[in-house]
This record gives sequence, C-alpha cells and structure tokens, in this order.
Amino acid sequence: ETGVTQTPRHLVMGMTNKKSLKCEQHLGHNAMYWYKQSAKKPLELMFVYSLEERVENNSVPSRFSPECPNSSHLFLHLHTLQPEDSALYLCASSQDIPGLAGGNEQFFGPGTRLTVL
Amino acid sequence: AQSVAQPEDQVNVAEGNPLTVKCTYSVSGNPYLFWYVQYPNRGLQFLLKYITGDNLVKGSYGFEAEFNKSQTSFHLKKPSALVSDSALYFCAVRDHTSGTYKYIFGTGTRLKVLA
Repeated sequence: ETGVTQTPRHLVMGMTNKKSLKCEQHLGHNAMYWYKQSAKKPLELMFVYSLEERVENNSVPSRFSPECPNSSHLFLHLHTLQPEDSALYLCASSQDIPGLAGGNEQFFGPGTRLTVL
Repeated sequence: AQSVAQPEDQVNVAEGNPLTVKCTYSVSGNPYLFWYVQYPNRGLQFLLKYITGDNLVKGSYGFEAEFNKSQTSFHLKKPSALVSDSALYFCAVRDHTSGTYKYIFGTGTRLKVLA
C-alpha cells in the first residue's frame, strides 16, 4: 500500500450507532488531518495531529472524537451522529515542522462517504 | 481573517482551448498557495504550489499558476485543455508566518472540458 488509505470507503449508520473511521499513511509524514467535505462548502478542517499530539481542533462537536496512536494511524470515532453529519470525510498527511507552518503539500486519502440515517 | 475565494462554481471550455480557473486570497502574512484537483470518488491530489521565487509556477499534468501579489490572486492555467482535465479544482492558502497548521480551502470550481 502506498500513500494514504482510508477504511471503510462507505458507511451508513443510524443516529444511535458507534463507528470508527480509520486512516493510515505510508509516507513517513509527521502530521495528519481530518477534513469534512460537504457539497458546495469549503473543506472544513476538523482536527490536526503533529507527532501524535493534537495541535488544532476547530470547534468540532464532541460526537466526533479523534485518536492518533502513532504517526501512521489516525482514527475518527463517531457516536450519536446527526443527519447533517452526512458527508465525505477526508484524511490527509504532510511533513511539517512542529510549531512552524511549512510549505509542504498535503496528501489525501480517497475519503469515507458517511451517511447518517 | 484568512480566506480563499473561487468566484466560479463551474468553468466550461472546449478541448484544445486554454483554460483558467480563478483564485483570490486574503491572509495577514505571506501566503503559501496551493492547487489541488479532485476526481470523482477520490481524495484531493496536489497539482502545484507557490512558496517563494518565480511568480509563474509549473505543476503536474501541464498545469501552471501565476502568483500576483498586488491582485492577491493565484489563477490556475493550462494552454490546451483535455477532456480528462474535467474535475473539481480547489485553491488553498496557508499563512506560514502564524505557525498554524491550518490550510484554508476555497469552495472548489468544477471544470468541464467539452470534446
């Protein structure tokens, strides 16, 4: 496997379910990101981890809970979601210097298409 | 506040013609600027970036972009469009002087190249 992978690719869940999205990067990067992509809206940055430490958290509801056990893996735990949370969830990684914004591009996974019923 | 604007939801161009996808930005410091492309059911793919130096940046698949500081623009261009260029294009900016990890993305422009 190369690049950034995400599983599952599609997920349908009820509002009372608990599920997790998984992201894995095989690029040796030190920063990982979760984005939400909804139609006609800019990409919304949800969380950023650098060297396994959360460095950005953009006022995301607590029903979304990230976890970064090591620099290659990132999870997004979901519970009691709402229908408006239906979207494409994208994971990305980059090589960044902690505390200093760099000019390195992000590499994105294919996304998980989430539908909340 | 930092922001990126892509004023066109969709751009249509005939195959073989030049194409331009527009992007303007607003940041408090010096920007790092990026273009990404998204094909159906795929994540975003990096096309090119401006960090410093020459205002004309060349990237993947024959695309280029021109950084214009006075107009705060970073338009994406290609001299001759292909049908396979049809996709969703995103401009992004990062204020590298603030120490933030935040990339600000535009709403995207759908490019349709007609055969």
